[in-house]
Amino acid sequence: IAGITQAPTSQILAAGRRMTLRCTQDMRHNAMYWYRQDLGLGLRLIHYSNTAGTTGKGEVPDGYSVSRANTDDFPLTLASAVPSQTSVYFCATSGEPDTQYFGPGTRLTVL
Amino acid sequence: GENVEQHPSTLSVQEGDSAVIKCTYSDSASNYFPWYKQELGKRPQLIIDIRSNVGEKKDQRIAVTLNKTAKHFSLHITETQPEDSAVYFCAASNAGGTSYGKLTFGQGTILTVHP
Repeated sequence: IAGITQAPTSQILAAGRRMTLRCTQDMRHNAMYWYRQDLGLGLRLIHYSNTAGTTGKGEVPDGYSVSRANTDDFPLTLASAVPSQTSVYFCATSGEPDTQYFGPGTRLTVL
Repeated sequence: GENVEQHPSTLSVQEGDSAVIKCTYSDSASNYFPWYKQELGKRPQLIIDIRSNVGEKKDQRIAVTLNKTAKHFSLHITETQPEDSAVYFCAASNAGGTSYGKLTFGQGTILTVHP
């Protein structure tokens, strides 16, 4: 059982390029989340999804979009990357009773 | 929205000593308070959590206390070991309410345990 997988592990991206970070889970958890982690700022919620077909905005959603076509996948897209989006991105899932589990993360550098 | 403050930002202790990390939260509706440990280059891992219907929870060397009146909760690690060295994050959410499962994290505490 893989749990939560994220791809790619790391990526260097030119500013202005489009990028999709992938997150897949095999735990059949209803809720999924995307966080970014920056030094000194902890983890901040970008977008979330309580169940397949629904999404919502978190604390820092600007410049990012998500979709939830099925239970297992929750991709995060940067339509036009900017250097301030350089960060480590974590996907997380939550079943009952609401405990969140994190994926291994994607380190993204935007130049 | 919820705001979580975490202190101290860094904590250095000798092996065998106790370590205490404190968090305060602003939203009185918050009812779920997890703690995560993150080692360098790794993902955050849940180490203990507490819900608002209890005041204290223990798991071996780790304990969490919650004071809902004062809106603060604390992580206590006893008999610290070098492998406890990591960044610790507290978080809060209104689990099951209108803000289903959305955690607000503190800024983190870098714990260093010296042998």
